[in-house]
Amino acid sequence: GNSVTQMEGPVTLSEEAFLTINCTYTATGYPSLFWYVQYPGEGLQLLLKATKADDKGSNKGFEATYRKETTSFHLEKGSVQVSDSAVYFCALSDNYGQNFVFGPGTRLSVLP
Amino acid sequence: NAGVTQTPKFQVLKTGQSMTLQCAQDMNHEYMSWYRQDPGMGLRLIHYSVGAGITDQGEVPNGYNVSRSTTEDFPLRLLSAAPSQTSVYFCASRGLTGDTEAFFGQGTRLTVV
Repeated sequence: GNSVTQMEGPVTLSEEAFLTINCTYTATGYPSLFWYVQYPGEGLQLLLKATKADDKGSNKGFEATYRKETTSFHLEKGSVQVSDSAVYFCALSDNYGQNFVFGPGTRLSVLP
Repeated sequence: NAGVTQTPKFQVLKTGQSMTLQCAQDMNHEYMSWYRQDPGMGLRLIHYSVGAGITDQGEVPNGYNVSRSTTEDFPLRLLSAAPSQTSVYFCASRGLTGDTEAFFGQGTRLTVV
């Protein structure tokens, strides 16, 4: 079945540091890939997505590129802020939209 | 635009009690689902529905029932609460094509004592 693997957290960075959160997936066909963010005490919000190979999703300074050859969708940001402290979830959806699978989440803490 | 609305936000139950978590969406989405979120476990799918009158089990369905009588509503029922059901519950909705995002409610924090 489909699955998503993320790097284990927590990740602690200083403000303005470079961020990478690794995500790899296993799926049949050509899934769509997503990054969601969960701020403390809130639900999940879509951060960015990519729907086909080599697409780059971007939002709020975050980027991720859909790499089919390595089955990866790593999240990056060049300069993190304290306000980026949250839990980040990588997810995939199969072609038919009926199977939405999440990774375990990576907690990011950014220190001033 | 309310999106996905969950009620209640917090609930404490005694072992053996029953309750219903409510979820409503106003985006005319066919697909609705319930997840539970536990520390270190990410989100696990409990039940889902692809339209009114159609429901199916997810990864962790035991102890939970669902029904989908309308497109808008997808309640989750705990028939006899157990401490193992202490968790944060999220409802989500989305369209049925693979590239559409899921929209989440704010969550219900349930404690079973």
